[in-house]
Amino acid sequence: AQTVTQSQPEMSVQEAETVTLSCTYDTSESDYYLFWYKQPPSRQMILVIRQEAYKQQNATENRFSVNFQKAAKSFSLKISDSQLGDAAMYFCAYRSGPFYNQGGKLIFGQGTELSVKP
Amino acid sequence: DAGITQSPRYKITETGRQVTLMCHQTWSHSYMFWYRQDLGHGLRLIYYSAAADITDKGEVPDGYVVSRSKTENFPLTLESATRSQTSVYFCASSDSAWKGGQGFNQPQHFGDGTRLSIL
Repeated sequence: AQTVTQSQPEMSVQEAETVTLSCTYDTSESDYYLFWYKQPPSRQMILVIRQEAYKQQNATENRFSVNFQKAAKSFSLKISDSQLGDAAMYFCAYRSGPFYNQGGKLIFGQGTELSVKP
Repeated sequence: DAGITQSPRYKITETGRQVTLMCHQTWSHSYMFWYRQDLGHGLRLIYYSAAADITDKGEVPDGYVVSRSKTENFPLTLESATRSQTSVYFCASSDSAWKGGQGFNQPQHFGDGTRLSIL
């Protein structure tokens, strides 16, 4: 079975600085997708960024980028120029490719609570 | 507006009672999911559905029942609520694997969650 681990329950960053959130996963599958979701206090689950395992290039979305190390099974999220609105719980999630017939479900890590100091 | 809605947003009930959480999506997404969120566990899958009348168990299905008679609705029922089922429940939906040529990287869209307290 696949597992996702976020080893940092809490992180803190100064406004305008850069922070990296860690995520590792375990799988024997070759085709899969990785996601980072943000959950602010409003409880909404907001997609931040996604990465296809078959793509070597790291995904980037504005101030958010990932460092995808497939061999190491690592998928870290880097937030540049941190803003107060980035304060939230961040979840890393894994999804099997369609070949594995897992119904598109997500497997989540435990989450990292990010606080941003002004 | 198109989207995914959950109701109620908050619910308090007593042990042994039956409670149903509602989920409705307007995108005609094939897949729908129910997760529960507990401190230290992230979100864990309870049940999911690939299409109307097709459901399957997730990681923590015990004590829950689902149905999907229509594509847009996916209610979750706790048949006899227990305190251990106190949690925040999220419904999610996503499109089918290959629609629009986007492949299976389609994200799941989440409802706003239901906070359920069982006394």
